[in-house]
Amino acid sequence: EAAVTQSPRNKVTVTGGNVTLSCRQTNSHNYMYWYRQDTGHGLRLIHYSYGAGNLQIGDVPDGYKATRTTQEDFFLLLELASPSQTSLYFCASSDRDTQYFGPGTRLLVL
Amino acid sequence: GDKVKQSPSALSLQEGTNSALRCNFSIAATTVQWFLQNPRGSLMNLFYLVPGTKENGRLKSAFDSKESYSTLHIRDAQLEDSGTYFCAAEAPGGSAKLIFGEGTKLTVSS
Repeated sequence: EAAVTQSPRNKVTVTGGNVTLSCRQTNSHNYMYWYRQDTGHGLRLIHYSYGAGNLQIGDVPDGYKATRTTQEDFFLLLELASPSQTSLYFCASSDRDTQYFGPGTRLLVL
Repeated sequence: GDKVKQSPSALSLQEGTNSALRCNFSIAATTVQWFLQNPRGSLMNLFYLVPGTKENGRLKSAFDSKESYSTLHIRDAQLEDSGTYFCAAEAPGGSAKLIFGEGTKLTVSS
């Protein structure tokens, strides 16, 4: 089964702070995804990637950057965090079909 | 938006009973995935579907692309089936992006 890990698992920052969320997958999947989950909205796609160096814009990209440094590693960057970015963030990977999710990162922006 | 609409939004079942969850799509979904988010927050993939049906133990799912819906049937519900069930549709165009519904929260009681 696919192994997707995320760090940190919990993060608290202040408005205007700089946050990096990390995701690693160890199953040689080409596709990786960042989602946010908020009550009443289900999961919404922020950014995704087809492979190292590739970045695709998702459905709710504003305020987020992402970078895929290797096939295994996908990072989500919040350069000026705002309270509206308080959420549960999930990373996922796939080989074009079944998506496998990491455990999630809870981010609180004060 | 309501590109993927799940019903019901919440459901309570007695152990041992059966039920069905439904997703309706307003997009031309090419594939569908079903996920279970357990009470601790972990997301687990249940099914990846092209048009047709699949069965796994007490779960059975169907995807009808012409009528734009998918169903998830739960037979002989158990306490461990409790959680939130999400369906997600892949939009046409080959982007591998998923659009999630808002979920059905299932509570199974003894």
